Amino acid sequence: DAKTTQPNSMESNEEEPVHLPCNHSTISGTDYIHWYRQLPSQGPEYVIHGLTSNVNNRMASLAIAEDRKSSTLILHRATLRDAAVYYCIPPVQGAQKLVFGQGTRLTINP
Amino acid sequence: GAGVSQSPSNKVTEKGKDVELRCDPISGHTALYWYRQSLGQGLEFLIYFQGNSAPDKSGLPSDRFSAERTGGSVSTLTIQRTQQEDSAVYLCASRAGGGPGAKNIQYFGAGTRLSVL
Repeated sequence: DAKTTQPNSMESNEEEPVHLPCNHSTISGTDYIHWYRQLPSQGPEYVIHGLTSNVNNRMASLAIAEDRKSSTLILHRATLRDAAVYYCIPPVQGAQKLVFGQGTRLTINP
Repeated sequence: GAGVSQSPSNKVTEKGKDVELRCDPISGHTALYWYRQSLGQGLEFLIYFQGNSAPDKSGLPSDRFSAERTGGSVSTLTIQRTQQEDSAVYLCASRAGGGPGAKNIQYFGAGTRLSVL
């Protein structure tokens, strides 16, 4: 199964863009990369997913490398409410569970 | 519409007692998951139900843990003879169908915080 590597923590300022990297160099097949986030004292929340091309939704953008070995979650204008732990979820062959690593704890400074 | 609902939101119990945690998934979602999150730890998969298929129990940590899903809707996670290491937030998620390779969008409840004294 693919493994992911993310920085333990990142810090940014309010209203600035944030780029959250994820390395998934062992990825194979045609499964999607998913991103979730967990706000304090809440359950995880789906953010975005993608396969090969860049994706945009109301929450964020996802830039996927051409070789699919890395991806970057982009928050275009961070707000204080975006402070959370962000998880890059690798595909798990033949299984439907989500495998959460330690994620990246994002701090937003006012 | 209503999201995933879990009850109770908090549960304090004594070591050795049995506890039941309840999950009401989003209506119409065929897949239901249980995860747990221990203090300072990541989220850990426990069990997965999909329609009428046999559940994937591969994440249950011991035989003291069991879960059932009645009528393809509500699920109950039971922990027998609780131990202090069972203290964690137990999270339930549901998903609208899908199969291998499909987008895996799960909707999580707020969780049940279990404290075993």
